Amino acid sequence: SAVISQKPSRDICQRGTSLTIQCQVDSQVTMMFWYRQQPGQSLTLIATANQGSEATYESGFVIDKFPISRPNLTFSTLTVSNMSPEDSSIYLCSVETGGWETQYFGPGTRLLVL
Amino acid sequence: QKEVEQNSGPLSVPEGAIASLNCTYSDRGSQSFFWYRQYSGKSPELIMFIYSNGDKEDGRFTAQLNKASQYVSLLIRDSQPSDSATYLCAVRNTGTASKLTFGTGTRLQVTL
Repeated sequence: SAVISQKPSRDICQRGTSLTIQCQVDSQVTMMFWYRQQPGQSLTLIATANQGSEATYESGFVIDKFPISRPNLTFSTLTVSNMSPEDSSIYLCSVETGGWETQYFGPGTRLLVL
Repeated sequence: QKEVEQNSGPLSVPEGAIASLNCTYSDRGSQSFFWYRQYSGKSPELIMFIYSNGDKEDGRFTAQLNKASQYVSLLIRDSQPSDSATYLCAVRNTGTASKLTFGTGTRLQVTL
């Protein structure tokens, strides 16, 4: 497995502002993922972030709203732009590591938009 | 739409009993299957994965896969109150290179 950290762990933001979430892993990984988990819901993949290429977004998620950076093999950021209360959620990064292509999750960022 | 279905529960079992959690999936070509445990307010934790038909055991946990029936299950033997959590089934679909589709999770309650 891998040790994954996220910053911030939680935040309360005003609508119309943006928040950048950082994900740091203790080893080099090729595949990193960003998920959203809304209250009482399961996980929804936002995008896949590979180092050296543009992030691949899932249906319903766009780069203008959720820009992602992946500057190296241990770090990624997700920005939630022009936030509305509907963006209140837990945002999770995950990495794929190990010989069995298993995914491990960071601790998550709990976002509340007022 | 490739789907993963789970009964949301709660599934209530007494301490020491076997808890059986079930998951069905729609993509017949799916290759790999994962069970995550998520405690309230925490992130998902990988507990089991299985690729081949049959059973895979790890301590008190057994994952069972039946690709013909498109069915994967997780058995927890000697259930403990600390097993009380939501269990998420995830499936890696064909042709989607590493993407996982998650079920909605089953909430397990182990009672004293």
